[in-house]
Amino acid sequence: DTEVTQTPKHLVMGMTNKKSLKCEQHMGHRAMYWYKQKAKKPPELMFVYSYEKLSINESVPSRFSPECPNSSLLNLHLHALQPEDSALYLCASSQVWMGVNQPQHFGDGTRLSIL
Amino acid sequence: AQKITQTQPGMFVQEKEAVTLDCTYDTSDQSYGLFWYKQPSSGEMIFLIYQGSYDEQNATEGRYSLNFQKARKSANLVISASQLGDSAMYFCAMRDFYNNNDMRFGAGTRLTVKP
Repeated sequence: DTEVTQTPKHLVMGMTNKKSLKCEQHMGHRAMYWYKQKAKKPPELMFVYSYEKLSINESVPSRFSPECPNSSLLNLHLHALQPEDSALYLCASSQVWMGVNQPQHFGDGTRLSIL
Repeated sequence: AQKITQTQPGMFVQEKEAVTLDCTYDTSDQSYGLFWYKQPSSGEMIFLIYQGSYDEQNATEGRYSLNFQKARKSANLVISASQLGDSAMYFCAMRDFYNNNDMRFGAGTRLTVKP
């Protein structure tokens, strides 16, 4: 079982809906990440939170809005998504952000489909 | 620019045999970390093994070992005694200071273990 928990596992939504993806870890990690992964492609970094502060936004459209309420939780709020946003969304965490020896630990992901 | 190259889109191996998955990388940093992840069809990214650029010995974790050749900038994953459950996508990744410690992934290799 993964130590990073993501909910929901599957989400189908229309382009006008508002939904949120949730991620939780209890490993005491202070860095958390959102990735987007299209089929048969590697994950692409979207956001990095370090000590609950947004540190990296990889030019992600504003229809994706991240939030880090505390050191264990990470949300991704979705609004007015496009069909091309259908993908697997992965959350990850690491002890700290800066450190080339830090592995990232991933959740199971949320499979998002936009109708 | 940092680049991770996995030249084998797909690999087949007979159960109980060993297999090597290739990975080459390019970085101008002296300090960097190399990682391998396994992604089954369920979607979770599972951290397998880590090798630091200053590590003199090749990393090993159970049936996984990393053949690290620094001068050639290669970090091949060796899986011994393949099992059916090893069938998955495998990603090589790197972190270095040049790219803000971001985890950058190769294109991946799909491994299929035959009974």
